[in-house]
Amino acid sequence: SAVISQKPSRDICQRGTSLTIQCQVDSQVTMMFWYRQQPGQSLTLIATANQGSEATYESGFVIDKFPISRPNLTFSTLTVSNMSPEDSSIYLCSVERGGTYEQYFGPGTRLTVT
Amino acid sequence: GQQVMQIPQYQHVQEGEDFTTYCNSSTTLSNIQWYKQRPGGHPVFLIQLVKSGEVKKQKRLTFQFGEAKKNSSLHITATQTTDVGTYFCAVSRGNKLVFGAGTILRVKS
Repeated sequence: SAVISQKPSRDICQRGTSLTIQCQVDSQVTMMFWYRQQPGQSLTLIATANQGSEATYESGFVIDKFPISRPNLTFSTLTVSNMSPEDSSIYLCSVERGGTYEQYFGPGTRLTVT
Repeated sequence: GQQVMQIPQYQHVQEGEDFTTYCNSSTTLSNIQWYKQRPGGHPVFLIQLVKSGEVKKQKRLTFQFGEAKKNSSLHITATQTTDVGTYFCAVSRGNKLVFGAGTILRVKS
């Protein structure tokens, strides 16, 4: 399985500001995914990020609010823009293991917006 | 879209008792995966089931995929405190995964 790191691990931010979360993988992967997990809830897919193309967003998530970059096959960023308290959540990146549909997750970023 | 229902939402068991969580779909699934998330941790892949009627075991964990490929179960025999966490099923929708709501397992020692 891939080793995935995320930065920051947690942050407390003021409303109206933006936070960029980084996801680094120790091997090249085609597909990376960004999820949101609210406390006590399941995982909700925000978007799929492929290298060299625009991210594909799920219903309810838009690029202006959650811009994503995927500059190479081992790295991606998710920005949470113009934050409000409703954005307080855990944000997780994941990668798929070579066409198997199995996903491996980073440790997550715990975001609190005050 | 493809949805999957997972029950129960919570289960508290005495250490040594068995535990089962179920996932059900109204449509035929191509595959189903199971993940475990420890408190404060991230989801960890456990297994993927692909074949109709498939049964796989990992030590005290037994995973089943229904004959119609519309349901699946995860059974833990003789739970231990290390089994505490949330167990999620997930199904493929194209190249994405859709996660069930999860079952929170608490084990009383």
